[in-house]
Amino acid sequence: GQQVMQIPQYQHVQEGEDFTTYCNSSTTLSNIQWYKQRPGGHPVFLIQLVKSGEVKKQKRLTFQFGEAKKNSSLHITATQTTDVGTYFCAGLPRGGATNKLIFGTGTLLAVQP
Amino acid sequence: EAQVTQNPRYLITVTGKKLTVTCSQNMNHEYMSWYRQDPGLGLRQIYYSMNVEVTDKGDVPEGYKVSRKEKRNFPLILESPSPNQTSLYFCASSLDRWGEGNEQFFGPGTRLTVL
Repeated sequence: GQQVMQIPQYQHVQEGEDFTTYCNSSTTLSNIQWYKQRPGGHPVFLIQLVKSGEVKKQKRLTFQFGEAKKNSSLHITATQTTDVGTYFCAGLPRGGATNKLIFGTGTLLAVQP
Repeated sequence: EAQVTQNPRYLITVTGKKLTVTCSQNMNHEYMSWYRQDPGLGLRQIYYSMNVEVTDKGDVPEGYKVSRKEKRNFPLILESPSPNQTSLYFCASSLDRWGEGNEQFFGPGTRLTVL
């Protein structure tokens, strides 16, 4: 079936280091969303990417959507302790069961002060 | 305040005892969905609804039922819970069809343990 994999599953960084998580889909996506879930919390929407090759920035966060619309990445520059949490991508497969938003497995980010 | 509410937040039950987890949103959203979250598996969609009286299966619907009699409510029903349904459950809603500029708003989650 359709899958969205994320790597790494877990990343531990020192505060100030950069962090990147990658999202790979087995199928072409219409668009992709990113969510952040703080420990003990619920997922919160960060951003959506729609166009092939699209790049968006939110302060220290940079989001990219691959040219083939099958992969995406989230890069955090100079991590802070407030960045701790699990980051999920969520893709809407193009065609087929287009009402099913498929979530990635998530990347848990730990930031050591 | 715009929000999605779920009740209960925590529930411990026994195998076979029917239960309902309620979900309500006050944003007049058309789309609602239920997810379960398990370690290493991310969020998996159980059921979703595109409008009142319109529901459809997600990726892991077995053992669950839903209903959408009113726009704001989308309860999740476990007719005969089993231990493999122990999980963290999230309800979510969005204004329109997800993935088209419409973020999903998640409820606070319900942690269910089935003994």
